[in-house]
Amino acid sequence: GAGVSQTPSNKVTEKGKYVELRCDPISGHTALYWYRQSLGQGPEFLIYFQGTGAADDSGLPNDRFFAVRPEGSVSTLKIQRTERGDSAVYLCASSLTSGSLSEAFFGQGTRLTVV
Amino acid sequence: SQQGEEDPQALSIQEGENATMNCSYKTSINNLQWYRQNSGRGLVHLILIRSNEREKHSGRLRVTLDTSKKSSSLLITASRAADTASYFCATDASDYKLSFGAGTTVTVRA
Repeated sequence: GAGVSQTPSNKVTEKGKYVELRCDPISGHTALYWYRQSLGQGPEFLIYFQGTGAADDSGLPNDRFFAVRPEGSVSTLKIQRTERGDSAVYLCASSLTSGSLSEAFFGQGTRLTVV
Repeated sequence: SQQGEEDPQALSIQEGENATMNCSYKTSINNLQWYRQNSGRGLVHLILIRSNEREKHSGRLRVTLDTSKKSSSLLITASRAADTASYFCATDASDYKLSFGAGTTVTVRA
């Protein structure tokens, strides 16, 4: 596609439920990133994939959060036993390569609301 | 943790005026980037300035970088209603990880 696509755009779930957020990066981009943005704050890094492997998952807040990228393209962020504090916009980005000079293109995000 | 801090938090200007916002950061960087965000959704990359550059222009945008003061500024000239958005600076916390500030919300009044 032309840009990074994230689905769903909005997700409302009940506390304790499991959710999956999907990211389709730009075709050919090897690097993929997940960020989380709480209201009134800037995005915070969650996890970075280079190809199929998670090169850095140090930003995942706890073991309820997990992300995969099995074929090196689409990625899924999975959240178990959701809590109200998980409510945020989850942003995915991709770049042609890793490296700070490779521009990251962001999707429109998934707004997750845990009620 | 967020390394960058934007100042001011919010800015309201008349259409046609210039808007200036600043970003301060704590640790040494390879580059600094500015992003725009409309309505709290996707981020749009505006400009990247490398640590060995002092000033960069892109259309109506002018970015400066002072590594001795660990600060950067973004100037939007001749603002338009469409410039209403939140603006974030981001530093390269590592070779691939961006560290964002909390952003400056700019409102351009018609």
